[in-house]
Amino acid sequence: NAGVTQTPKFRVLKTGQSMTLLCAQDMNHEYMYWYRQDPGMGLRLIHYSVGEGTTAKGEVPDGYNVSRLKKQNFLLGLESAAPSQTSVYFCASREDRSDQPQHFGDGTRLSIL
Amino acid sequence: AQSVAQPEDQVNVAEGNPLTVKCTYSVSGNPYLFWYVQYPNRGLQFLLKYITGDNLVKGSYGFEAEFNKSQTSFHLKKPSALVSDSALYFCAVEPGANNLFFGTGTRLTVIP
Repeated sequence: NAGVTQTPKFRVLKTGQSMTLLCAQDMNHEYMYWYRQDPGMGLRLIHYSVGEGTTAKGEVPDGYNVSRLKKQNFLLGLESAAPSQTSVYFCASREDRSDQPQHFGDGTRLSIL
Repeated sequence: AQSVAQPEDQVNVAEGNPLTVKCTYSVSGNPYLFWYVQYPNRGLQFLLKYITGDNLVKGSYGFEAEFNKSQTSFHLKKPSALVSDSALYFCAVEPGANNLFFGTGTRLTVIP
């Protein structure tokens, strides 16, 4: 049972390059989330989705785009990477009930030079 | 503004001693409360939650948490710490409308 899988695990980019982070879940969850984790700041929500074909902005959406074309996948895109986007990115999924916990992937460590 | 506070960045405790990791929140209404644990190079793992009912909730790996509505706190506890409990712990609060607020995390170190 894979749960939430993120690819890639590590990536180094140059400023201005673009890339897409992939999140896949096999639990048939409706809700999916993208967070970034920075030292001393906890997790901050970038974008989320409450179902296939839907997306919404979180706390820190600028510089990122997302797509949810299939229920099991949630993609996070950086169109023009900046050093401030150096972070660890986590994807999570959850059933469509607020009293249920989120299930997290193991993260993507992204460095922008 | 809605927020979650974990006042201690670091908690050190001797193996076998009880541990407490503190969490307070400022959120309107009756939120759902969660604790997660993060081991190195891993994602967050769910430990326990408070939805309603008994103020003391039990979770995974012998952890429990005490909800105090008047103090708006949700402290994580364990009667006897293990070295393997050393990790980063996050408190999270969901007031509804698909908003989950995380604290900044507390690093627990259990000393053998």
